[in-house]
Amino acid sequence: GQQVMQIPQYQHVQEGEDFTTYCNSSTTLSNIQWYKQRPGGHPVFLIQLVKSGEVKKQKRLTFQFGEAKKNSSLHITATQTTDVGTYFCAADTGRRALTFGSGTRLQVQP
Amino acid sequence: DSGVTQTPKHLITATGQRVTLRCSPRSGDLSVYWYQQSLDQGLQFLIQYYNGEERAKGNILERFSAQQFPDLHSELNLSSLELGDSALYFCASSVVSGSYNEQFFGPGTRLTVL
Repeated sequence: GQQVMQIPQYQHVQEGEDFTTYCNSSTTLSNIQWYKQRPGGHPVFLIQLVKSGEVKKQKRLTFQFGEAKKNSSLHITATQTTDVGTYFCAADTGRRALTFGSGTRLQVQP
Repeated sequence: DSGVTQTPKHLITATGQRVTLRCSPRSGDLSVYWYQQSLDQGLQFLIQYYNGEERAKGNILERFSAQQFPDLHSELNLSSLELGDSALYFCASSVVSGSYNEQFFGPGTRLTVL
């Protein structure tokens, strides 16, 4: 079945440092989504990437979708304490059901 | 607030019992998804309904079942509960327009099986 690997599992950074999480799929994807889950909260949609090689920015967050539509990354520039949480990629093979990566838990030291 | 409601918020029960979790999607959303999140685990997709019909099935155990009613609310039934079923159960809804499929998650139901 669909496999989605996400690394790293955990990252602890100092406030102001950059952060990147990577997502790799075993199959070509229709699209990929990113979600953020704050501690004790529920996942919240961040973005959806559809086109090969697509790059989208949201303030300090940059999302990329690989040329082969099998991998994606989320990069946060100059992290802030409000960025704390777990970031999940979610792969859509076109069947609507999403396969979530295992998530990257981000801790930001003030 | 995502607009998706889930009840109850917490549920504590014993092994062997049966429980029902309820979800009301956002107004206008026809698709409902159920996910299980165990401690330190990612989100495991269980099942999806679209306008009352089962659309996709994930790693859902035979002891679990779900349905979506005409008013679009959904229920997840968990039976013969085991200790390992203790988890957060999330419901999500989406409108699904073309390839756009943003999912809105409810606050979750925390199930503890003793």
